[in-house]
Amino acid sequence: DGGITQSPKYLFRKEGQNVTLSCEQNLNHDAMYWYRQDPGQGLRLIYYSQIVNDFQKGDIAEGYSVSREKKESFPLTVTSAQKNPTAFYLCASSRTSGRAGETQYFGPGTRLLVL
Amino acid sequence: AQTVTQSQPEMSVQEAETVTLSCTYDTSESDYYLFWYKQPPSRQMILVIRQEAYKQQNATENRFSVNFQKAAKSFSLKISDSQLGDAAMYFCAYRGSARQLTFGSGTQLTVLP
Repeated sequence: DGGITQSPKYLFRKEGQNVTLSCEQNLNHDAMYWYRQDPGQGLRLIYYSQIVNDFQKGDIAEGYSVSREKKESFPLTVTSAQKNPTAFYLCASSRTSGRAGETQYFGPGTRLLVL
Repeated sequence: AQTVTQSQPEMSVQEAETVTLSCTYDTSESDYYLFWYKQPPSRQMILVIRQEAYKQQNATENRFSVNFQKAAKSFSLKISDSQLGDAAMYFCAYRGSARQLTFGSGTQLTVLP
């Protein structure tokens, strides 16, 4: 089945630790995105990538890093610089990012909790 | 910067009845798209419907339809014949020249049996 997978479903981070969230898609989409969702708020864009080996910061990129070495994969690292990482993280992809009407498809999400 | 506002944090509707969720947005652009996404308890975001700004006709998808008022910058979602499976958080979203989705804060819809 075509779709977007995210792992793990739950992730626990200790103080000062970097953790990496996985996002994989087999939709052959060029563009991929990372969003953060906090309670009572909508999704906010962390990073996005329009093509392999290219990515841009979103509205809340501080404390996060990404890579895009393969078309199918767009991992997100939450670094120790992110002081309030507890949130629900959603990965999305779209065929391209060039058209405003391009539909973004979302993965099931990862819940990150700080110990 | 574009902003999207959903002024109803919570709404409820009786099963089989109709409910309208409100959304307003602020933009200076003329070419953009608007979306409604549904997030059920599983938290998977699902596209419900989308509207192109340059189209006068309101989008419709089965029981879901929108009332798009471009001059008023309003984009409401109407759900007809509400079903228990419609219970979810609904997000309005905007996408323009920046090519990133800007989301509202969401409306939690409860469907009463």
